[in-house]
Amino acid sequence: GAGVSQSPSNKVTEKGKDVELRCDPISGHTALYWYRQSLGQGLEFLIYFQGNSAPDKSGLPSDRFSAERTGGSVSTLTIQRTQQEDSAVYLCASSVQGAIYGYTFGSGTRLTVV
Amino acid sequence: GQQLNQSPQSMFIQEGEDVSMNCTSSSIFNTWLWYKQDPGEGPVLLIALYKAGELTSNGRLTAQFGITRKDSFLNISASIPSDVGIYFCAGQPNSGNTPLVFGKGTRLSVIA
Repeated sequence: GAGVSQSPSNKVTEKGKDVELRCDPISGHTALYWYRQSLGQGLEFLIYFQGNSAPDKSGLPSDRFSAERTGGSVSTLTIQRTQQEDSAVYLCASSVQGAIYGYTFGSGTRLTVV
Repeated sequence: GQQLNQSPQSMFIQEGEDVSMNCTSSSIFNTWLWYKQDPGEGPVLLIALYKAGELTSNGRLTAQFGITRKDSFLNISASIPSDVGIYFCAGQPNSGNTPLVFGKGTRLSVIA
């Protein structure tokens, strides 16, 4: 597609439930990133995929968070047993190759855990 | 981990005024970028800087990559209402594919 597409745009879930957030990057972009934006905070790096290399998971805050990228394209971020502190906007970005040319971000998924 | 200190946190300015915001780090960054985020949207790249001392303009925007590689500033001249939003600095600490580190943002409000 023309841009990075994320779904759903909004998600309200009950504490303890699992959620899946989807990211469809720009076609041909080999790098895909997930960031989290909490209220009043900057963008917190979560995980990074580059081609067929093993993902950089160094930003995942706990083992309740995981992500996969199938076929080098669509990515799913899964949060298990959601907690209220998981409430945030989850942003996905893709780039042609690495960060040097900047990322193209999606509009994000606003997750609210009640 | 590496952090970017962005200031000010927020600004209220009159339409037509110039704006300046900056970002500093205790460590060296090889690339500096400035993004703007509108409400309900993802950040959009405004300017990218790749060399120490580089000064780059994009319309009313001007940004510089500090000579020490530990800081950058963004200036907006003659602000207009559509400049409202959150401005983020971002840096890449190493070459290659290291993910960008982002500042906490400067929230700009423009009073007509």
